Amino acid sequence: GAVVSQHPSRVICKSGTSVKIECRSLDFQATTMFWYRQFPKKSLMLMATSNEGSKATYEQGVEKDKFLINHASLTLSTLTVTSAHPEDSSFYICSASYRPNTEAFFGQGTRLTVV
Amino acid sequence: AQKITQTQPGMFVQEKEAVTLDCTYDTSDQSYGLFWYKQPSSGEMIFLIYQGSYDEQNATEGRYSLNFQKARKSANLVISASQLGDSAMYFCASLSNFGNEKLTFGTGTRLTIIP
Repeated sequence: GAVVSQHPSRVICKSGTSVKIECRSLDFQATTMFWYRQFPKKSLMLMATSNEGSKATYEQGVEKDKFLINHASLTLSTLTVTSAHPEDSSFYICSASYRPNTEAFFGQGTRLTVV
Repeated sequence: AQKITQTQPGMFVQEKEAVTLDCTYDTSDQSYGLFWYKQPSSGEMIFLIYQGSYDEQNATEGRYSLNFQKARKSANLVISASQLGDSAMYFCASLSNFGNEKLTFGTGTRLTIIP
């Protein structure tokens, strides 16, 4: 199957700093990537849809200025958590599909801890 | 809007037994896709099986099969001959807008296989 690589897998940062998470499709081009957040023992919540060459589409309730998404190329999307606070601590995961209406392939996820 | 309901927060099953994980969905779309993903403790999301709404036969992938009952809007996952490595969270998901690849997830079922 297609491979999506997410980096870093774990990151600890101080409150007030920014953290960048990368999502790469290694063997296919993904015009659209998705960013999810997972709270403990809860489902995945879609945060935003990342479109190559255009602005990301954010879900209701997600702060655009806090969660900056850049889809610079067909194989790379980045999520930057700006001015992180402890409540931003969570598991963030990206996904991409290489064909419409088929399975989404997920990155390994990033465990963010803000101290 | 799409909605996925997984009514079993946790299940315990004896090794080698078959297990059925329930999933019901609510959609107004005529054409949609249903997915099951496995999430082990490491956090990664692993695609298991896909069922298209117009597929006449139930999808099967190795030990996984999807019991698709369209009239009842259910898409239960059946795992045959369960193994210890099957212990994980399992998420049912549907495709939000056909062609847009946005997935809506259920809250998941934590499956524990007992030796």
